[in-house]
Amino acid sequence: AQKVTQAQTEISVVEKEDVTLDCVYETRDTTYYLFWYKQPPSGELVFLIRRNSFDEQNEISGRYSWNFQKSTSSFNFTITASQVVDSAVYFCALSEARGGSYIPTFGRGTSLIVHP
Amino acid sequence: EPEVTQTPSHQVTQMGQEVILRCVPISNHLYFYWYRQILGQKVEFLVSFYNNEISEKSEIFDDQFSVERPDGSNFTLKIRSTKLEDSAMYFCASSERVQGDSYEQYFGPGTRLTVT
Repeated sequence: AQKVTQAQTEISVVEKEDVTLDCVYETRDTTYYLFWYKQPPSGELVFLIRRNSFDEQNEISGRYSWNFQKSTSSFNFTITASQVVDSAVYFCALSEARGGSYIPTFGRGTSLIVHP
Repeated sequence: EPEVTQTPSHQVTQMGQEVILRCVPISNHLYFYWYRQILGQKVEFLVSFYNNEISEKSEIFDDQFSVERPDGSNFTLKIRSTKLEDSAMYFCASSERVQGDSYEQYFGPGTRLTVT
């Protein structure tokens, strides 16, 4: 069974601070995908990144960066120089092949509040 | 940029009534999904649909739920006799494939269902 743990329920920072959102996963599969989604106050789910289990390269996209470490089963997300617009709930998700399809299991989310 | 659309954005219904939530997936996508998010909780998979049939469903997706692709563009979720605990945000998603490079699921903005 797959499981995603986002231990931080809520994080509060002041604008321009760096913040890291933790994600730890459990899976028995060797092939799987990891995701991060952003859910702003308006409610929609915004896809941020997908990483497959064979690609451990860290990724940077503007102020966002992701650190994937298979050794610790973690896929952490860092926002550099946070802004008020980053305030949202962030979900980490894991999908492994089930009957040929990859259905994501979501973590409980981390609510990020960025104060001006 | 193509996007998944959902209607209505908010639906209020009385317990025991039937509701139909509608989604228009991205036009060249072949795989369709419904998810549920009870307020303040994590996103949960309900069902996936491909080639006019259900390919996978979760334990949440019981006999009260059904899905249909009535024409070439719409994808619907029907709840036959709503219960209070069906109150949630329902997200539709679509993907071009289920694995590989075009696997990403693109989510619609959600329909908030309130059962009174």
